[in-house]
Amino acid sequence: AQKVTQAQTEISVVEKEDVTLDCVYETRDTTYYLFWYKQPPSGELVFLIRRNSFDEQNEISGRYSWNFQKSTSSFNFTITASQVVDSAVYFCALRPYSGAGSYQLTFGKGTKLSVIP
Amino acid sequence: GAGVSQSPSNKVTEKGKDVELRCDPISGHTALYWYRQSLGQGLEFLIYFQGNSAPDKSGLPSDRFSAERTGGSVSTLTIQRTQQEDSAVYLCASSPRGGRNEKLFFGSGTQLSVL
Repeated sequence: AQKVTQAQTEISVVEKEDVTLDCVYETRDTTYYLFWYKQPPSGELVFLIRRNSFDEQNEISGRYSWNFQKSTSSFNFTITASQVVDSAVYFCALRPYSGAGSYQLTFGKGTKLSVIP
Repeated sequence: GAGVSQSPSNKVTEKGKDVELRCDPISGHTALYWYRQSLGQGLEFLIYFQGNSAPDKSGLPSDRFSAERTGGSVSTLTIQRTQQEDSAVYLCASSPRGGRNEKLFFGSGTQLSVL
């Protein structure tokens, strides 16, 4: 069984502050994919990033960066110099490479980020 | 538009009635997914279609829930004899081929309220 835990239910930051959203996962699979999605108030989940379990290279995309550490089963997401437009609910998700459940994304409960101007 | 389209955007129904929720995926996407989002349970997988067949329907919560997909395109999720616990946002997503590493494209969802 897969499990994704996002311990931070809600976070508030002042604009231009950096913020890190935590994601910890559990799986017995050796090969899997990790994802982050953003859900703005409009409701539509938007893909942000995908990471393979065998690729621990960190990634940076503009103000966004992701830190994947297989040893601690974590895939944390950092927003640098946050902006009001970053306000949304962010979901971390896991999908096995094969086998039962591989058609499904297992989502964390999400972290609601509010960026205050 | 070119995105995943869901209708209706909002549905209010009375307990015991049947409802149908529609999803129109991105043209050419063979994989289609239904998820349910509720305050208590978060985002839950319901069913996966590859073309018109459903290799994984393990997430359907009871036999009151069913889904079909016709012509490899539009999908309908049907809930019979609705209960108050069915109140949630029902999200549809599609992806090009159903690969495990593919990103999903989500619709804006149908907010279902069962009174």
